[in-house]
Amino acid sequence: DTEVTQTPKHLVMGMTNKKSLKCEQHMGHRAMYWYKQKAKKPPELMFVYSYEKLSINESVPSRFSPECPNSSLLNLHLHALQPEDSALYLCASSQLGGYTFGSGTRLTVV
Amino acid sequence: GDSVTQMEGPVTLSEEAFLTINCTYTATGYPSLFWYVQYPGEGLQLLLKATKADDKGSNKGFEATYRKETTSFHLEKGSVQVSDSAVYFCALISNTNAGKSTFGDGTTLTVKP
Repeated sequence: DTEVTQTPKHLVMGMTNKKSLKCEQHMGHRAMYWYKQKAKKPPELMFVYSYEKLSINESVPSRFSPECPNSSLLNLHLHALQPEDSALYLCASSQLGGYTFGSGTRLTVV
Repeated sequence: GDSVTQMEGPVTLSEEAFLTINCTYTATGYPSLFWYVQYPGEGLQLLLKATKADDKGSNKGFEATYRKETTSFHLEKGSVQVSDSAVYFCALISNTNAGKSTFGDGTTLTVKP
């Protein structure tokens, strides 16, 4: 299995909702990432997990809460988001350089 | 800090034309270099990579050579197809930046039949 699987593919949520994005990989990669991508822009790093521990938080607002339950799973919990948080959220994993990205979750906050 | 500069797009070519997308970088240490491709509505896919000077990465007819003397990693393809239409990102990982990737701004390629 050489894929990173993200669910759901699309999500519409209100500003008072709580939702979660999920990411799964079975390649044995020990580094996993959350990125945010706006239209026609490069991905922006949000969080890095290394060996299931949070190693980098790029000053992301607390309304985004990451979680790594085990070496194959990565979640991103969302609460009280703003319309400007609407974007494509990408999960990635890596081992020895080069990332494998998932197809992303297209998030719309209304 | 690290940075990646890509040629500005969009780039529009006819099918079977030659493609070059320029990429130059600034980094401390000895970075690894990557090209990613993003098709509409999809995530990024690793297209090719090079980990040291003079390495050539290649995949699906695309090539790029790691040139340390010019700090460049230009993407080339001899004959593009309509299916190559996508956004291409150049990126680096520097061993002095906690393993984080630095991406260029992306170049949109449109190939017309």
